[in-house]
Amino acid sequence: GENVEQHPSTLSVQEGDSAVIKCTYSDSASNYFPWYKQELGKRPQLIIDIRSNVGEKKDQRIAVTLNKTAKHFSLHITETQPEDSAVYFCAASIGMNTGNQFYFGTGTSLTVIP
Amino acid sequence: EADIYQTPRYLVIGTGKKITLECSQTMGHDKMYWYQQDPGMELHLIHYSYGVNSTEKGDLSSESTVSRIRTEHFPLTLESARPSHTSQYLCASSPLAGGPEEQYFGPGTRLTVT
Repeated sequence: GENVEQHPSTLSVQEGDSAVIKCTYSDSASNYFPWYKQELGKRPQLIIDIRSNVGEKKDQRIAVTLNKTAKHFSLHITETQPEDSAVYFCAASIGMNTGNQFYFGTGTSLTVIP
Repeated sequence: EADIYQTPRYLVIGTGKKITLECSQTMGHDKMYWYQQDPGMELHLIHYSYGVNSTEKGDLSSESTVSRIRTEHFPLTLESARPSHTSQYLCASSPLAGGPEEQYFGPGTRLTVT
């Protein structure tokens, strides 16, 4: 089955700096890669996603890049703010109509220092 | 408003008790999932379902059961609760086919077994 690895497990940045979180996956059939943000005591919320036919996607301060050949994808947060502090999870999924599971990374705890 | 609902939100119960965690969604989604998550840690898939009368086991399914009699309802049952079951349980749903397949999470049930 699919194996998703996520690094780093913890990340501290100064407010205004950029943060990068990286994930690798093992199954080349994976074609959907969402990123979730989970604030303390709250449910995971989708913040951005990318499909395998796209190399990069951006939404304001958040961007995701995908390298299918190397089987890795990354989350980039620019101009970080204290409210960006949370745990971030990457995931990989195969297919749409078949029994696709979501395989999650182990999470990155991001702390933005004011 | 379309959402995913979980009850109870918090539960403290003694060892050996049978409990059922409720999950309902008004998203019109076919697929539903149960995850176990310790605070800030990775999500472990317990069970998932493609639709009515469909149930599949995940990584941590051996001590629980699920049923899917109605599209919108996906309850999780622990036949005999143990302290090792103390955790947060997250229900999620996603569309089966067509459109974005992003996964939406419920607010979670925080279970404590004494």
